[in-house]
Amino acid sequence: SQQGEEDPQALSIQEGENATMNCSYKTSINNLQWYRQNSGRGLVHLILIRSNEREKHSGRLRVTLDTSKKSSSLLITASRAADTASYFCATAFNSGNTPLVFGKGTRLSVIA
Amino acid sequence: EPEVTQTPSHQVTQMGQEVILRCVPISNHLYFYWYRQILGQKVEFLVSFYNNEISEKSEIFDDQFSVERPDGSNFTLKIRSTKLEDSAMYFCASTLLAETQFFGPGTRLTVL
Repeated sequence: SQQGEEDPQALSIQEGENATMNCSYKTSINNLQWYRQNSGRGLVHLILIRSNEREKHSGRLRVTLDTSKKSSSLLITASRAADTASYFCATAFNSGNTPLVFGKGTRLSVIA
Repeated sequence: EPEVTQTPSHQVTQMGQEVILRCVPISNHLYFYWYRQILGQKVEFLVSFYNNEISEKSEIFDDQFSVERPDGSNFTLKIRSTKLEDSAMYFCASTLLAETQFFGPGTRLTVL
């Protein structure tokens, strides 16, 4: 299956530090998306990167995609306590109306 | 900013009872989805819906589940006879161009 698997499972850092989370998947994809979930809440879309893109930025977020290694990374720079959440990657097998396949997520704790 | 809404936020029911979870997708969106997340586990795809019919469904979406778009705004998920293992957070999502999916805040279903 085209599972996204994040690592690490949990990450604890000090405010101001950078946080890097990784995601691996198994099959070819059309795009990969990162979502944030605060405890017990909904999923907030962060960024989408397409299979023909290698890097994307959005504010303090930087996402890379390496299709040869079937992996992606999410970098949050200058982390804040408010960044504390679980982060999930989700892959889409093709374009169009296709279900997302989510990984298990990385639980990020940013300590003030 | 438009957002997906879901009601109720929390539903408690007895095993064997029927439940209906309601979603109001973003108004101009065309594709609709239901996902669920059992506590501590991955977000899993249940079903997608487009043009008033099911586009795709997972093996989780068995005969106990049904979806409906009864009017131009609501999108519902019905579970006919709930089981203990149906306890989960249920997320509705919608998208316009079948790419970035926007998720609602979820309904926490507890089956006793």
